[in-house]
Amino acid sequence: DAGVIQSPRHEVTEMGQEVTLRCKPISGHDYLFWYRQTMMRGLELLIYFNNNVPIDDSGMPEDRFSAKMPNASFSTLKIQPSEPRDSAVYFCASSLDYEQYFGPGTRLTVT
Amino acid sequence: RKEVEQDPGPFNVPEGATVAFNCTYSNSASQSFFWYRQDCRKEPKLLMSVYSSGNEDGRFTAQLNRASQYISLLIRDSKLSDSATYLCVARKSNSGYALNFGKGTSLLVTP
Repeated sequence: DAGVIQSPRHEVTEMGQEVTLRCKPISGHDYLFWYRQTMMRGLELLIYFNNNVPIDDSGMPEDRFSAKMPNASFSTLKIQPSEPRDSAVYFCASSLDYEQYFGPGTRLTVT
Repeated sequence: RKEVEQDPGPFNVPEGATVAFNCTYSNSASQSFFWYRQDCRKEPKLLMSVYSSGNEDGRFTAQLNRASQYISLLIRDSKLSDSATYLCVARKSNSGYALNFGKGTSLLVTP
């Protein structure tokens, strides 16, 4: 199994630009989670899906952030417009139960 | 205030030493607890679950004290390869398999 796949691995963009992060969960997993990790705040849950349906988006910081899961094998997290304070590592994880398998993360830098 | 609090460390210990990490959680309704391990610039991975009766996996022992809302991880006979950040995790109550992560405790094992 290839594990959770995320792209891109690194993204550097200018303030105001749109950023799209992508995730392919492990086949057969019905939960998908998006996290953001910073030194200051640690690992924060942004949103999660169950069977492609968003269940809890209370962690999404503001309307600039949106996430979709059009099918069981693909999800996106979009930031529009991006700001320097969005700089962080964004992880996607998938699971069948409590054991979550994380992707390698996308390191986002907004200048 | 985060729902899961940990001492960030760093804990610097010599090879062969025994080291213990603690964390506290604020939501008494939390049902399940875990320790995840995160290597530098890598994704978190499940280390072990934490059961009320305590559980052991080789050199690692995890314990839960529900009355005090306190979780611990003990590592015996530390190896250089144990150097990592250890994340204390509580499953969110009434929220499927969503997890609350502590900010992590950094461990460095030295020769």
